[in-house]
Amino acid sequence: KAGVTQTPRYLIKTRGQQVTLSCSPISGHRSVSWYQQTPGQGLQFLFEYFSETQRNKGNFPGRFSGRQFSNSRSEMNVSTLELGDSALYLCASSTGQGIPDTQYFGPGTRLTVL
Amino acid sequence: AQSVTQLGSHVSVSEGALVLLRCNYSSSVPPYLFWYVQYPNQGLQLLLKYTTGATLVKGINGFEAEFKKSETSFHLTKPSAHMSDAAEYFCAVSEGSGGSNYKLTFGKGTLLTVNP
Repeated sequence: KAGVTQTPRYLIKTRGQQVTLSCSPISGHRSVSWYQQTPGQGLQFLFEYFSETQRNKGNFPGRFSGRQFSNSRSEMNVSTLELGDSALYLCASSTGQGIPDTQYFGPGTRLTVL
Repeated sequence: AQSVTQLGSHVSVSEGALVLLRCNYSSSVPPYLFWYVQYPNQGLQLLLKYTTGATLVKGINGFEAEFKKSETSFHLTKPSAHMSDAAEYFCAVSEGSGGSNYKLTFGKGTLLTVNP
């Protein structure tokens, strides 16, 4: 099976702009989670979607939003970018059912905000 | 709330030496525990996981970890380090109950350096 794919891999934006990142999960997986990775804060959970519904949410401001489509692909949007949003954004997919559930990660999108 | 502590942000070993990366967790319910590895400019790759049953878990690339409930630990070991093991390693926990099953809490990571 193909793994989790994320596009684009690299992105450069300026403060105040908005950005959309895309994630395609492993075939058959219905859950997609997003994480932000920075040197200072490490890996932090943003949110998780299952069957087009947000099921879990981390402690991030409302500028961070996401959605999931009927084919389980997910997008993450960040509006009004700030310098501190520069990070590696990782997407992970899982079946979304059963306990335990194992998450498989994509290569990430590296966002640089200037 | 669950949390993960990885002791040592940087561990350096010689090629062929034992690798020991430490992880302690706190969780209000029986946890599920994971070790992931991240190579430069890449995402996270699952090394191994503990769910239930046998407390000694074997993973890929010769790594293993032992779940010790009494010590709330899940340390990662490899008997003999290889140059290709140089990477950053992350311990993670999920509480395994209901919705929290789908959220991972990560440690800060341990950067492993392997010297020739």
